[in-house]
Amino acid sequence: DVKVTQSSRYLVKRTGEKVFLECVQDMDHENMFWYRQDPGLGLRLIYFSYDVKMKEKGDIPEGYSVSREKKERFSLILESASTNQTSMYLCASSEYNEQFFGPGTRLTVL
Amino acid sequence: GESVGLHLPTLSVQEGDNSIINCAYSNSASDYFIWYKQESGKGPQFIIDIRSNMDKRQGQRVTVLLNKTVKHLSLQIAATQPGDSAVYFCAEENNQGGKLIFGQGTELSVKP
Repeated sequence: DVKVTQSSRYLVKRTGEKVFLECVQDMDHENMFWYRQDPGLGLRLIYFSYDVKMKEKGDIPEGYSVSREKKERFSLILESASTNQTSMYLCASSEYNEQFFGPGTRLTVL
Repeated sequence: GESVGLHLPTLSVQEGDNSIINCAYSNSASDYFIWYKQESGKGPQFIIDIRSNMDKRQGQRVTVLLNKTVKHLSLQIAATQPGDSAVYFCAEENNQGGKLIFGQGTELSVKP
């Protein structure tokens, strides 16, 4: 079975802090994705990556950056966290169409 | 703009009844559709998918129907059980190399 893990289930940070969210997948998938999930807005794509060191902006990249130094790991970075970035963050990986999701990280920015 | 949406945000059914969750999409060029189930506190899990060259696909207790004429997708769950209570998302692939566009989700509640 594909396993996608995220470094934290819950995270509380202060405004202005730099935040790292880590995602690791164990199925050698080429594609990895970061979403945020908010009530009434569904899943919105922040960034995605098709290969190591490659990244593409999704629908809402502002305030975020990503890093993919190894195929299995995709990191989401909040350079200076703000309260409007309080959300559930979901990582996913895929080889073709179906995306496999991690359990999510619920981030609260105070 | 192109979007995927759901007709109802919540659905409540009696245990044992069949459930139907609907989804509308606007991109007629989309050729792949997928349903996910998300239980509380967990990430979305794959349920079933369908390609645009098919009208119907069946899984275990679930059926997905695709009507390309009216750009409508539905998920049918037979003999709904309490464990089916979750939020269900439809998604379409927008021909951009694996990117999915998600609907807002329907919350299914199963009454015992």
